[in-house]
Amino acid sequence: NAGVTQTPKFQVLKTGQSMTLQCAQDMNHNSMYWYRQDPGMGLRLIYYSASEGTTDKGEVPNGYNVSRLNKREFSLRLESAAPSQTSVYFCASSERAQETQYFGPGTRLLVL
Amino acid sequence: RKEVEQDPGPFNVPEGATVAFNCTYSNSASQSFFWYRQDCRKEPKLLMSVYSSGNEDGRFTAQLNRASQYISLLIRDSKLSDSATYLCVVNPTYNNNDMRFGAGTRLTVKP
Repeated sequence: NAGVTQTPKFQVLKTGQSMTLQCAQDMNHNSMYWYRQDPGMGLRLIYYSASEGTTDKGEVPNGYNVSRLNKREFSLRLESAAPSQTSVYFCASSERAQETQYFGPGTRLLVL
Repeated sequence: RKEVEQDPGPFNVPEGATVAFNCTYSNSASQSFFWYRQDCRKEPKLLMSVYSSGNEDGRFTAQLNRASQYISLLIRDSKLSDSATYLCVVNPTYNNNDMRFGAGTRLTVKP
């Protein structure tokens, strides 16, 4: 039982490049989330998926897209990376809304 | 005003001390509350949920004050292993996945 896994762990991009962050959970959870964490800001919700087939914007969705591929997988895509997207990205899942969220180990992204 | 505010600290305390953190939230309709713990360069992990009547888990006690819109975390008999950043988490809307995190309070427990 791996919990929530994320790939890659680290990534360096140049401005304008695109990439997809992958997330998978093996807990049969309905809800999945993408957050970014910046110094002094706390975690901010980018997008979430309350159930398979649905996605909704969070607090800071601009510059990102998501796909809930199936119940297990939820990916985050940066179409044209900007230096302001340098951050640590966490994926999380929960059985349903308002319940405990379980986080992946994070992806450290640097955009030059 | 931020939706969830915490004193960033750092709180530096000796082993065995009692330490308390507060967290204020702006939305009076907020429904669920949590404390998470985050170690340096690691992912957040749930420490405890916060119930209206208050709750205790070993050395940790969480309280909710709806009238003043804050939650608190009390750690008794601090251990070196309690050194971490403690994140306050609030769900501002009923039946919604949109959790709001505070920026965290850093605690260092010294020998």
